[in-house]
Amino acid sequence: QQQVKQSPQSLIVQKGGISIINCAYENTAFDYFPWYQQFPGKGPALLIAIRPDVSEKKEGRFTISFNKSAKQFSLHIMDSQPGDSATYFCAAPPRGGAQKLVFGQGTRLTINP
Amino acid sequence: EAGVAQSPRYKIIEKRQSVAFWCNPISGHATLYWYQQILGQGPKLLIQFQNNGVVDDSQLPKDRFSAERLKGVDSTLKIQPAKLEDSAVYLCASSFTGGRLAYEQYFGPGTRLTVT
Repeated sequence: QQQVKQSPQSLIVQKGGISIINCAYENTAFDYFPWYQQFPGKGPALLIAIRPDVSEKKEGRFTISFNKSAKQFSLHIMDSQPGDSATYFCAAPPRGGAQKLVFGQGTRLTINP
Repeated sequence: EAGVAQSPRYKIIEKRQSVAFWCNPISGHATLYWYQQILGQGPKLLIQFQNNGVVDDSQLPKDRFSAERLKGVDSTLKIQPAKLEDSAVYLCASSFTGGRLAYEQYFGPGTRLTVT
């Protein structure tokens, strides 16, 4: 059974700090690993994604790091801002995938001003 | 570009009643997904369509849930009869089909269902 385990469940970071959210996967297709951001009352929105043939991808203040041997990938938010306060979900395509995603449980991030 | 549209945004019903949700995907997106998101959890896939056809409905409680996508565009998800545990946000998403673009899913705002 495909699983995506995300940690921590909640995270509080001071403005300007670094937010780090981790995701571990098993029994997934080795293809594409996205992170989604969800604000209250909104649907999730694709934030950033990484292919497994690279170890890191950076877009502005957001970076994904990928560790193939550990079957983990993580989201780093540099210079965290109050506007980054949201719930973040990692996802992975399950094995045999049919182009769908399995989502983690989510991390509620709060950035204190 | 218009996003994924969903209606209604909120719905309150009593248990054993029926309810229907509507979704209009992004134009050109052949794949449509319905997810259930229980408070504090990640989205859980209920059903995936590609054009008119069902690709995956393995997690759809078929004794009470049904979904259709007529003409390969709009879709409706129905619950009949509803149970208390169906209280959740129902999210519709769409994507292109094929390659990694299929994993770039665009979500609607969701319908918050409360069953009392």
